[in-house]
Amino acid sequence: GEDVEQSLFLSVREGDSSVINCTYTDSSSTYLYWYKQEPGAGLQLLTYIFSNMDMKQDQRLTVLLNKKDKHLSLRIADTQTGDSAIYFCAESSGYNKLIFGAGTRLAVHP
Amino acid sequence: DTGVSQNPRHKITKRGQNVTFRCDPISEHNRLYWYRQTLGQGPEFLTYFQNEAQLEKSRLLSDRFSAERPKGSFSTLEIQRTEQGDSAMYLCASSKGTPGDQFFGPGTRLTVL
Repeated sequence: GEDVEQSLFLSVREGDSSVINCTYTDSSSTYLYWYKQEPGAGLQLLTYIFSNMDMKQDQRLTVLLNKKDKHLSLRIADTQTGDSAIYFCAESSGYNKLIFGAGTRLAVHP
Repeated sequence: DTGVSQNPRHKITKRGQNVTFRCDPISEHNRLYWYRQTLGQGPEFLTYFQNEAQLEKSRLLSDRFSAERPKGSFSTLEIQRTEQGDSAMYLCASSKGTPGDQFFGPGTRLTVL
């Protein structure tokens, strides 16, 4: 079945890089996504990657995909306090439903 | 505001009552999704509409839940005979069907006492 797993918590120092990891099980996934959720706010799409790509970079964000191992990561360069939030990995097949992980809570400290 | 809107934002009800939530998608989006998010978890898919047709329903959507999108625009999600386990954030999202364009509304937080 479809399943997405993430580590629950990550703590980093301001200015360091953060790496959030995710594994998924559905080999038919065509797109993989990273969403951000701040307290009291809705889900915000950060970036996504097509399954035939290995890497995608968007400003401070770098997504790496290892399709063989079904492993996805999100690297945030120069992490700031404003990056503190819950980050969700999600997969989809085609353009339909998203299957989310439980989320990784990122805490950024001075 | 041209984003996805949901009403009400908060709903407190007593067990056994019926509740209805509304979602207004982005106007040119023909696809609409409902998800449920409980504390400490990611959103879980409930159901999906393409225009007015309900094309997929999760096993999570028991007989007490019904969703409609009568004219292919706004959608409603009704929960009958609410139970405490229904307490959650109910999220609506819409898209045109292109990758990365599934945008979420702010959600309706349901508390069942």
